[in-house]
Amino acid sequence: KAGVTQTPRYLIKTRGQQVTLSCSPISGHRSVSWYQQTPGQGLQFLFEYFSETQRNKGNFPGRFSGRQFSNSRSEMNVSTLELGDSALYLCASRPAGATWEQYFGPGTRLTVT
Amino acid sequence: QKEVEQDPGPLSVPEGAIVSLNCTYSNSAFQYFMWYRQYSRKGPELLMYTYSSGNKEDGRFTAQVDKSSKYISLFIRDSQPSDSATYLCAGGSNYKLTFGKGTLLTVNP
Repeated sequence: KAGVTQTPRYLIKTRGQQVTLSCSPISGHRSVSWYQQTPGQGLQFLFEYFSETQRNKGNFPGRFSGRQFSNSRSEMNVSTLELGDSALYLCASRPAGATWEQYFGPGTRLTVT
Repeated sequence: QKEVEQDPGPLSVPEGAIVSLNCTYSNSAFQYFMWYRQYSRKGPELLMYTYSSGNKEDGRFTAQVDKSSKYISLFIRDSQPSDSATYLCAGGSNYKLTFGKGTLLTVNP
């Protein structure tokens, strides 16, 4: 079974621009979560989607948004990029049912200049 | 105080050593606990997860949780150079994982 895939893998943007990242979960997984990883703050939770609904949200500004489609694929958008948004953005999917395991993709490395 | 505290290391051990990785947490709402391994330039890979206090073993890996003292441990027996990576502990509740900052482990041949 294919793992979580994320596109693009690398991205360079300029301050003030916006960016959209994409995540395809493992087949059959309906929950998708997004995390930001930086050397200073580590892995931080952004938000979680299940059946196209946001179920939980971390402490990030409104510039960070996401959505999930009916096929469980998810996108994350960051508007008005700041230098501090440079990070590895990770997507994780979770199987349906009473299980807590989350499986991560390889991440998208975003650099803001 | 961070919800999950983890010694960042780095930790360097010889091949074959027993490795002990530890975290403490402050959030009593955590329902489950996870250990992930992350190689350089890769996404985290799930190693083990557990719901309750006690030990859980999987091959060379043992995860230990003590909810009374809010302590999480991962033991690696017969460590191998391929175990060299960053190890991340996490507590979870409400579909959200809260991670420690990770411990960088190097196993020397």
